[in-house]
Amino acid sequence: DQQVKQNSPSLSVQEGRISILNCDYTNSMFDYFLWYKKYPAEGPTFLISISSIKDKNEDGRFTVFLNKSAKHLSLHIVPSQPGDSAVYFCAAKGGGSNYKLTFGKGTLLTVNP
Amino acid sequence: NAGVTQTPKFRVLKTGQSMTLLCAQDMNHEYMYWYRQDPGMGLRLIHYSVGEGTTAKGEVPDGYNVSRLKKQNFLLGLESAAPSQTSVYFCASSYYGQENEKLFFGSGTQLSVL
Repeated sequence: DQQVKQNSPSLSVQEGRISILNCDYTNSMFDYFLWYKKYPAEGPTFLISISSIKDKNEDGRFTVFLNKSAKHLSLHIVPSQPGDSAVYFCAAKGGGSNYKLTFGKGTLLTVNP
Repeated sequence: NAGVTQTPKFRVLKTGQSMTLLCAQDMNHEYMYWYRQDPGMGLRLIHYSVGEGTTAKGEVPDGYNVSRLKKQNFLLGLESAAPSQTSVYFCASSYYGQENEKLFFGSGTQLSVL
């Protein structure tokens, strides 16, 4: 069973607009969530994270929102830039195995100039 | 400032051949991990290590072995490669595996098994 779900395989937005990437999880023991960004032929790089004790974390153009009751988090990118085009992975950890990350399948974001 | 380095970057094997992937990190991290990425599957944990001399199984360990003889190195071995092991392999590391830690990834190894 997939514990971290990214139901949108791809998303296309115009430069300057907002990109919203969604992630759902099923394991209520998860208590820390991360977003990774991956360009082709490169490894994933850390983007932003949020602890379950918060509902929002912001870093420049990137904001992550967490709704624990709905087991849902989202990544907002404002404004979107062509260089943001990449695959975005949602990941979660916790539940007794704090050091292991469980990943979603990823969402391919394309930002059109 | 190398971070996590994986060798080789590309490899083609025939079914039944063996090979070893090498991961090296220069950040003095205790924890190291091997993931594989397949189309539409995200990243799945193969094996991991919580310190020198230790290894443990992840989600998809079958067909792989690992060793952590030195703190900075984590080796992933395929004893008898199968086409199902065609994938991109990523090594990662973290300091102590604490709750609010992030993992640092290498750039990956593209493996094709014919």
